[in-house]
Amino acid sequence: DADVTQTPRNRITKTGKRIMLECSQTKGHDRMYWYRQDPGLGLRLIYYSFDVKDINKGEISDGYSVSRQAQAKFSLSLESAIPNQTALYFCATSDLLGGGTDTQYFGPGTRLTVL
Amino acid sequence: KQEVTQIPAALSVPEGENLVLNCSFTDSAIYNLQWFRQDPGKGLTSLLLIQSSQREQTSGRLNASLDKSSGRSTLYIAASQPGDSATYLCAVSPDSNYQLIWGAGTKLIIKP
Repeated sequence: DADVTQTPRNRITKTGKRIMLECSQTKGHDRMYWYRQDPGLGLRLIYYSFDVKDINKGEISDGYSVSRQAQAKFSLSLESAIPNQTALYFCATSDLLGGGTDTQYFGPGTRLTVL
Repeated sequence: KQEVTQIPAALSVPEGENLVLNCSFTDSAIYNLQWFRQDPGKGLTSLLLIQSSQREQTSGRLNASLDKSSGRSTLYIAASQPGDSATYLCAVSPDSNYQLIWGAGTKLIIKP
């Protein structure tokens, strides 16, 4: 089984609908992240969480919210989806190893289309 | 503001060739730099991580170098194979909070 799973893998929705993307991990990591990827652009950080009680905004948090239900679960919500939120969304996890040696482990991505 | 650039956006080479992918960044004060591979439908996989105090890292046929003073990193792939076809992204961590700043990637196609 994959260490980082995302559901759904694909979603088509309409403008104004509320959407939740879910992420689960079995790696036992404290840190979790949500990114979006648009064609021709690098990944951009939406939100990140360093533990269950610590939630932080990333570069592009407007229009999104998150919930860290448990160490293993981190959900991303679009309260009222709009077409420019059409993108590929990735969840990632990392552990605090220190010394600049940390890396992030990614889920397979959710392709979201907002019509 | 740190910016990461990868040129070219796409590259096609015959199987067996050695190749170099480029990554440049505007602020030399980095914590580490990573190279990732992205395969469609499979997410991203970390290939190599270079700490700011290191000059290079090697894993199998892959070698990544880092020159902080010039703001450049290269990923060298030896004896390329069709299975190396993927998009390769570099990402810079500006500090110990590990928020990565990403390049847009280079799509690599290895022709059999």
